[in-house]
Amino acid sequence: AQKVTQAQTEISVVEKEDVTLDCVYETRDTTYYLFWYKQPPSGELVFLIRRNSFDEQNEISGRYSWNFQKSTSSFNFTITASQVVDSAVYFCALSVDTGANSKLTFGKGITLSVRP
Amino acid sequence: EPEVTQTPSHQVTQMGQEVILRCVPISNHLYFYWYRQILGQKVEFLVSFYNNEISEKSEIFDDQFSVERPDGSNFTLKIRSTKLEDSAMYFCASSAETGPNTGELFFGEGSRLTVL
Repeated sequence: AQKVTQAQTEISVVEKEDVTLDCVYETRDTTYYLFWYKQPPSGELVFLIRRNSFDEQNEISGRYSWNFQKSTSSFNFTITASQVVDSAVYFCALSVDTGANSKLTFGKGITLSVRP
Repeated sequence: EPEVTQTPSHQVTQMGQEVILRCVPISNHLYFYWYRQILGQKVEFLVSFYNNEISEKSEIFDDQFSVERPDGSNFTLKIRSTKLEDSAMYFCASSAETGPNTGELFFGEGSRLTVL
């Protein structure tokens, strides 16, 4: 069975601070996919990134960056120079299905509050 | 940009009533999903659907739930006799079979169900 642990439940920062959201996953499969989703107060789920288990190259996209470490089963997400609009719940998720059938196992989410 | 659409955005119903939540997946996607999020909790997988049949379902998806693709565009979730604990946000999602986004789930904005 798959498991995603987001140990942090709530984080509060002041605007312009950097913040890292932690994610630890468990799976016995060697091929898997990791995701981050953002859920703003309006409730929809917004896709942020997907990483394949065989691609450990870390990525930077604007103010967002991701650190994938297979050795520690972690897939952390950093927001640089946070903004009030970043306030949301952030979910890490894992899928082990091959092909297109993508059943996701979600973590419990981290509520990020960015204060002006 | 193509998107998954869901109706209604919010439905209030009495316990024991039947509810149908509707979704229009992205047109060239072939995998469809329903997920559920009880208020303040994590997003949970309910069911996946491919080639006009259920490909996987969770233990939450009991006999009170059913899914259907009645025509070429809609994908529905029916709850036969709602219970208080069915109150949640229900997300529809779809994914492509091939291409660079294979396995990436595109979520709708959710349908909030309130059972009184």
